[in-house]
Amino acid sequence: NAGVTQTPKFRVLKTGQSMTLLCAQDMNHEYMYWYRQDPGMGLRLIHYSVGEGTTAKGEVPDGYNVSRLKKQNFLLGLESAAPSQTSVYFCASSYRRGGPGAEAFFGQGTRLTVV
Amino acid sequence: AQSVTQLDSHVSVSEGTPVLLRCNYSSSYSPSLFWYVQHPNKGLQLLLKYTSAATLVKGINGFEAEFKKSETSFHLTKPSAHMSDAAEYFCVVSLPVGAGNMLTFGGGTRLMVKP
Repeated sequence: NAGVTQTPKFRVLKTGQSMTLLCAQDMNHEYMYWYRQDPGMGLRLIHYSVGEGTTAKGEVPDGYNVSRLKKQNFLLGLESAAPSQTSVYFCASSYRRGGPGAEAFFGQGTRLTVV
Repeated sequence: AQSVTQLDSHVSVSEGTPVLLRCNYSSSYSPSLFWYVQHPNKGLQLLLKYTSAATLVKGINGFEAEFKKSETSFHLTKPSAHMSDAAEYFCVVSLPVGAGNMLTFGGGTRLMVKP
């Protein structure tokens, strides 16, 4: 059972470089999310998607872009990485947006370091 | 708007003793509530969920939580701690569809288990 798969698991970037994080889910979920987790800050929502072809901003969207061209994939892009984007990134998906069925299933995370 | 407060950022127990992790929420609607566990360098795993059925919810690994509407609480308990329970725990609230947006995470409680 794959669930939610993130690639890569680790990455080191130089300031100004770009990269794309890939998230894939095999549960046919409509809703997908990107979070970042920083010490003392908990999980913060970056962007989310309520279905194929749709995206929306979360709590901390600046410096990131996303795309949902296929229902099962949700990509997170950093166009010009900054040290402030050093974090652990989690992708998640859920069957519903709220209420019962809204529990999210998480990937294993991508540890990104920007130097 | 909803919010979640985990009352303790760190909890330390001895192996074999009970565990209590406290969570309070605020919501104008009937929420769905979840507890997640995150082991070091891992993703978040769903422990249990409350979705307006039984107020006492049993989860994996011997954990359970009780929804108390009058106290707006959803505390997580386990009768006897095991070393493998050492992890970070997150309380999460979700409102009914149309009443709110996305999941709201508590700040997390780090559980330490002493031998």
